[in-house]
Amino acid sequence: EVQLLESGGSLIQPGGSLRLSCEASGFTFRSYAMTWVRQTPGKGLEWVSTISGSATSTYYADSVKGRFTISRDKSKNTLYLQMNSLRAEDTAVYYCAKDRASGLVATFDYWGQGTLVTVSS
Amino acid sequence: DIQMTQSPSSLSASVGDRVTITCRASQSVSSYLNWYQQKPGKAPKFLIYAASSLQSGVPSRFSGSGSGTEFSLTITSLQPEDFATYYCQQSYSNPYTFGQGTKLEI
Repeated sequence: EVQLLESGGSLIQPGGSLRLSCEASGFTFRSYAMTWVRQTPGKGLEWVSTISGSATSTYYADSVKGRFTISRDKSKNTLYLQMNSLRAEDTAVYYCAKDRASGLVATFDYWGQGTLVTVSS
Repeated sequence: DIQMTQSPSSLSASVGDRVTITCRASQSVSSYLNWYQQKPGKAPKFLIYAASSLQSGVPSRFSGSGSGTEFSLTITSLQPEDFATYYCQQSYSNPYTFGQGTKLEI
């Protein structure tokens, strides 16, 4: 059974940093691209970043480019999102999601339960 | 960026009804269109990929159609568990944008 378990969300001041983790199980982690998607009440679902299975390619939304870094550790079956220079508009529930097929298809068949990031002073 | 627009934003229906939700892309996404269902406080659930292919385990009362810029999600014979918010998402090009959602209510 595929499971994705996010952690690391918290209340953080503007300008601060936070690292989210997503522990994966139930599938061959290294074979699938992984993605972070966030959700706010006002803006719905927003794609944030994707990393290929081999970790050789990464992609970012313009809204986070230069501030967020996606990475993965195949030895720990874990996906990360390092978030720096956080802004109020980064406040959201952050989900990690698995690609449906090997390669990069940006079609998300399994999602974690989400972790809440609140950026506020 | 490709904009995805869903209509209607909300929809009232009853158990047993047939409903259709529309998703329009600001430019062609070929058949790279996916649908998700989300219930309050839960993560989205994957329903349909490539515009019309049903994900394994999803009931056959769900179906998708369309290509290019116009897509639809149809649910026949609504069940109580189908009342949720539905999102379309294009996987044609980065950034992989979502529609704003359609809330299906009783």
